[in-house]
Amino acid sequence: NAGVTQTPKFQVLKTGQSMTLQCAQDMNHEYMSWYRQDPGMGLRLIHYSVGAGITDQGEVPNGYNVSRSTTEDFPLRLLSAAPSQTSVYFCASSPSGGWHGYTFGSGTRLTVV
Amino acid sequence: AQSVSQHNHHVILSEAASLELGCNYSYGGTVNLFWYVQYPGQHLQLLLKYFSGDPLVKGIKGFEAEFIKSKFSFNLRKPSVQWSDTAEYFCAVNSNTGNQFYFGTGTSLTVIP
Repeated sequence: NAGVTQTPKFQVLKTGQSMTLQCAQDMNHEYMSWYRQDPGMGLRLIHYSVGAGITDQGEVPNGYNVSRSTTEDFPLRLLSAAPSQTSVYFCASSPSGGWHGYTFGSGTRLTVV
Repeated sequence: AQSVSQHNHHVILSEAASLELGCNYSYGGTVNLFWYVQYPGQHLQLLLKYFSGDPLVKGIKGFEAEFIKSKFSFNLRKPSVQWSDTAEYFCAVNSNTGNQFYFGTGTSLTVIP
């Protein structure tokens, strides 16, 4: 049981480049989310999905796109990378029903230069 | 919108000292409450959760938390900390009817041997 798998683990981008952070879960969870973690700011929700074909914006969605074509996958796209997007990104998933809590991936450390 | 406050940003304790980390949330309805731990360089792991029943919940590694509804609080406690408890601790909340989790900004705990 792999849980939540994120790739890549590390990435360096130049300003203006685009890329996709991958997230896959094998637990048949309905809910999936992307968070960014910055020092002193905790985790901030970027986008989330309550099921295949359904996505919504979180607290800090600007500069990011998501899609959920399957239950398993929830990729995060950076459209035109900016230094302000330097962060650690975590994908998380949960069964339906908020009381389960999230299972987190191991994170992607992104640096934009 | 819901919010979560963790007032202790950085706590330093000696081994065997007792720990209490504060967490307050703002939401008037029924909530689910969580504490997550993030060891250095790792992803977030669930320590414990409360969604109903006994307001004193016990988690892994000797941690416990008490839900006090009248104070909108969910403080984390451990009677005797160990060096291996050095980590960052996040409180999180979501509503029974909501899909989003809201995280506090985290408390960094350093335990000195």
